[in-house]
Amino acid sequence: NAGVTQTPKFQVLKTGQSMTLQCAQDMNHEYMSWYRQDPGMGLRLIHYSVGAGITDQGEVPNGYNVSRSTTEDFPLRLLSAAPSQTSVYFCASSYSLGVVTEAFFGQGTRLTVV
Amino acid sequence: DAKTTQPNSMESNEEEPVHLPCNHSTISGTDYIHWYRQLPSQGPEYVIHGLTSNVNNRMASLAIAEDRKSSTLILHRATLRDAAVYYCILRGRDDKIIFGKGTRLHILP
Repeated sequence: NAGVTQTPKFQVLKTGQSMTLQCAQDMNHEYMSWYRQDPGMGLRLIHYSVGAGITDQGEVPNGYNVSRSTTEDFPLRLLSAAPSQTSVYFCASSYSLGVVTEAFFGQGTRLTVV
Repeated sequence: DAKTTQPNSMESNEEEPVHLPCNHSTISGTDYIHWYRQLPSQGPEYVIHGLTSNVNNRMASLAIAEDRKSSTLILHRATLRDAAVYYCILRGRDDKIIFGKGTRLHILP
């Protein structure tokens, strides 16, 4: 059982470049979310999805786009990377937003924007 | 989202119990108390959660005050592998998981 898989694990981008961070889960979870974690800080919610075709903004959505075409995948897109987006990004999934149960997190993508 | 207050850091000796406190004086009746931890260079992992009664699992115990305005995560016998940041989170139904700054736990050999 793979759980939540994030790719790539590391990425260096130049300012203005675009890229997509991939997140996939194999647990048939409805709820998926993206967080960023800056050095010495807690995680901040970027975007989340309560099911295929449904997404919404979290605490810090600016500069990021998401879509959810399948239950399994929830990619995060940076359209024009900025140095302020240098961070570690975590994807998470759980059974359903309406059911209080545990969330599973990926191992993270460490992104550096130069 | 309701707020929690945790100490920034704590130290404990290896093989001794650890009590990690969390204050949540504005908790609502439908908020569950969740604990997650984040080991170095890893994503957060679920530890335990509860509503009103104390809870035990293979990782830890959760003691919830009778008025629910505070709770304590108990690691019964800390190991070096338990060194991590521990997050106390309130989460009601239909709530997202919102992280605070957590408590950095140092385990002394």
